Amino acid sequence: QQQVKQSPQSLIVQKGGISIINCAYENTAFDYFPWYQQFPGKGPALLIAIRPDVSEKKEGRFTISFNKSAKQFSLHIMDSQPGDSATYFCAARARSNDYKLSFGAGTTVTVRA
Amino acid sequence: NAGVTQTPKFRVLKTGQSMTLLCAQDMNHEYMYWYRQDPGMGLRLIHYSVGEGTTAKGEVPDGYNVSRLKKQNFLLGLESAAPSQTSVYFCASSYSLGTDTQYFGPGTRLTVL
Repeated sequence: QQQVKQSPQSLIVQKGGISIINCAYENTAFDYFPWYQQFPGKGPALLIAIRPDVSEKKEGRFTISFNKSAKQFSLHIMDSQPGDSATYFCAARARSNDYKLSFGAGTTVTVRA
Repeated sequence: NAGVTQTPKFRVLKTGQSMTLLCAQDMNHEYMYWYRQDPGMGLRLIHYSVGEGTTAKGEVPDGYNVSRLKKQNFLLGLESAAPSQTSVYFCASSYSLGTDTQYFGPGTRLTVL
C-alpha cells in the first residue's frame, strides 16, 4: 500500500499553461517532501523539495504548495514548456523510517506546443 | 565524474536463471539503494546499504539479494528469476540517509520470460 497517493496519473497541457500535480499522505511523521522529475529512458532527478515548516517553495517555474493540516502537497508548473514533458514523482520521508523515501505512483505530463 | 552508473542497460532472462546487476558511484556516497519501477507503482525500495559491508531490506526485498563489498559498488542479485521481476531497476546513492538528494543511475530494463 503506497504511503503517498499521487494524482492525476497523466495530464496534457498546452504550452504556456499550468500543470498541477497533487499528492496526499497519512503519516504525520513525514518531514521532507521532494519531487523528482524523470525523462524517458533516464533515472529520476531531484527537482524541488519542501519541509513542513513552510507552506510554499518556488524555484523558477516550479512551485510546491504544502498544506500540513490537510496532509497534502502539490507541484505547480507555471508557463509549461515542451521540455517539461516528463514523469513527476512526489515522495516523502520520515526519520522514523530510516529516512527512506516513499514515492507516489507518478504523473506523466505532456506539454503540447 | 560519471555519477551513478548501472550495468547492464538491458537484459532478457528465462524463468529460473540468475543474474547480477552492478551499480557504481564515484561520489564517495555512504548510502546506496536499489529500486524497481513498475507502471502505476512508482519507485519501490528493494534493498539499501548504509555503508560498506552493510545492507538492509526495503519495501519489496523478496527474491533479491544484495552485497556492498566496496563503498563505490552495490550489487543486486536475482538467484532464480521470475516473470514478476520484469521491471526497470534503478540504483541510487546519497551522502547520508538524512541528506536531501538521492542521485539515480540510468536504469536497467529487465525482462523475465
